[in-house]
Amino acid sequence: GAGVSQSPRYKVAKRGQDVALRCDPISGHVSLFWYQQALGQGPEFLTYFQNEAQLDKSGLPSDRFFAERPEGSVSTLKIQRTQQEDSAVYLCASSSPTTELASYEQYFGPGTRLTVT
Amino acid sequence: DQQVKQNSPSLSVQEGRISILNCDYTNSMFDYFLWYKKYPAEGPTFLISISSIKDKNEDGRFTVFLNKSAKHLSLHIVPSQPGDSAVYFCAASVGGNTPLVFGKGTRLSVIA
Repeated sequence: GAGVSQSPRYKVAKRGQDVALRCDPISGHVSLFWYQQALGQGPEFLTYFQNEAQLDKSGLPSDRFFAERPEGSVSTLKIQRTQQEDSAVYLCASSSPTTELASYEQYFGPGTRLTVT
Repeated sequence: DQQVKQNSPSLSVQEGRISILNCDYTNSMFDYFLWYKKYPAEGPTFLISISSIKDKNEDGRFTVFLNKSAKHLSLHIVPSQPGDSAVYFCAASVGGNTPLVFGKGTRLSVIA
């Protein structure tokens, strides 16, 4: 079946612009995670949802970052007044743990590369 | 302070030989560990995982070993193939379906 998709794949924004990044999780996956990956680093957690509820947003670097998942499926990560330090790859992942298998793998999308000039 | 550490930024192995990638962690609350492989311009791809109640999990050419007392895990790939050349990330979580904490990755090059 279809995997996690993200759009746009690449985004160039001028400093101060607002951007919106979209994530379509695997159909039926209840959990959705956002990560930020800087060059040469591993992904770092930003926020996550279970269905439409945002359970943890402790990784969001500032109040310019906002995420939503209003219907428990598609999610949008919004960054207001972008700064150069926001340049990174933004990764979305989804999972659907099954208690029988205790399977907690997260499946990642291809990411959105954001460049702020 | 990095909770998950991959101390080797790169590793080069000949085709057919064993690749061993290492990972150390500091948070004793971690109870679920995963390995991901990443090609350029793609998202990480799940490889294999292990729960803290086990010390070994095997899937085809990939085996993950967990040493809880040493807070160390390793990924063995045997035999290594050129298509295995990628960046490998170790990740850990507390309680399963929760945010992952990643290492910085190890770039594996398998030479034909």
